[in-house]
Amino acid sequence: GEDVEQSLFLSVREGDSSVINCTYTDSSSTYLYWYKQEPGAGLQLLTYIFSNMDMKQDQRLTVLLNKKDKHLSLRIADTQTGDSAIYFCAEKENTGFQKLVFGTGTRLLVSP
Amino acid sequence: DTEVTQTPKHLVMGMTNKKSLKCEQHMGHRAMYWYKQKAKKPPELMFVYSYEKLSINESVPSRFSPECPNSSLLNLHLHALQPEDSALYLCASSQDPSGQSLYGYTFGSGTRLTVV
Repeated sequence: GEDVEQSLFLSVREGDSSVINCTYTDSSSTYLYWYKQEPGAGLQLLTYIFSNMDMKQDQRLTVLLNKKDKHLSLRIADTQTGDSAIYFCAEKENTGFQKLVFGTGTRLLVSP
Repeated sequence: DTEVTQTPKHLVMGMTNKKSLKCEQHMGHRAMYWYKQKAKKPPELMFVYSYEKLSINESVPSRFSPECPNSSLLNLHLHALQPEDSALYLCASSQDPSGQSLYGYTFGSGTRLTVV
């Protein structure tokens, strides 16, 4: 499969902004996603961006997409302790099926 | 109902046991998936079912046997597993198997499997 890379760990203080980065590999990916996984739980879809968009804002979440560099980022404004989790970016492979390839995951730790 | 329900939540089994993991969704989704997630790793695709037919098998060992009895149910039958098969097994579903829509997956909470 493709390698989708993320930084391993990010630590911020409550109220700060968090920026989680992702480098993907399939330039033909039509949709890119961000998922959140809390300890012992499944994955929760946070947001997505279509490949012809540069930016998408959804409440505290802002997704930026740089197709030229195959770089995706997720900014969380006013980060809260409840945002502590592992965040995965994912790209949809163009195989004719909805096959998602997940990034390596970034563990976000928010301290009070 | 907007959930994917997986049972059991936890399972401990011996290497000679036979067990099954179950997954259920009532959202009318026509694609269902099994993923395996080891600790501190991303989920890895195992199987894809599209309209109740197996469409992708990611070279998974035959000791894992998927089954899709109907459009709402997905099972994973386990037999003669190894300790290295211990992991979180995640089921997911999506609305459109063709891959043309934007919808991502809806994931269940997973079954944490320990093989002893």
